[in-house]
Amino acid sequence: QQQVKQSPQSLIVQKGGISIINCAYENTAFDYFPWYQQFPGKGPALLIAIRPDVSEKKEGRFTISFNKSAKQFSLHIMDSQPGDSATYFCAARAGANNLFFGTGTRLTVIP
Amino acid sequence: DAGVIQSPRHEVTEMGQEVTLRCKPISGHNSLFWYRQTMMRGLELLIYFNNNVPIDDSGMPEDRFSAKMPNASFSTLKIQPSEPRDSAVYFCASSLMGQVTYNEQFFGPGTRLTVL
Repeated sequence: QQQVKQSPQSLIVQKGGISIINCAYENTAFDYFPWYQQFPGKGPALLIAIRPDVSEKKEGRFTISFNKSAKQFSLHIMDSQPGDSATYFCAARAGANNLFFGTGTRLTVIP
Repeated sequence: DAGVIQSPRHEVTEMGQEVTLRCKPISGHNSLFWYRQTMMRGLELLIYFNNNVPIDDSGMPEDRFSAKMPNASFSTLKIQPSEPRDSAVYFCASSLMGQVTYNEQFFGPGTRLTVL
């Protein structure tokens, strides 16, 4: 059973465009929602994370939007660049327990 | 800090052989995680340790898989006997887990396993 559902599976965006990746969850005990970025041949690395007490968190061109009532959260990449081409994973965790990862979104930014 | 270290980076073996993957977590971290990544199933948690004790091994596929953490600086994931369907990239990650902190998991570079 997938604890965190992620979409789309793949995404192609023109340089300068906005990339949007969505995730949904059911477990209301989740209280930490990170996004990981993975380049080919590398392990995932933390990109940005949010707690459910805020609705948005922005770090540079990357923004997480969080909708607690809908149990959804999304990653927005503004002014997408070819260097952003990677696989992105959303995740969720309850307390000090392990992370549950989404299935990943392969982003390709076309120059 | 060198980060999480995994070895080997690539492993090619024949079906039926024993495979041992190794991981050295970041010094000072108290939690260690083993993940498997495939195109079909994405990133799956196999097992995780807290203070060298296995906490949740429900993701271990079957008895052919076993993991140990004899001390805070070393862990192994063993597959015996290996099968072609075990072919995947195996990641080790470590973190400093606490009740009130939201510490990130740091991933190693992974071991790409191919079972022929």
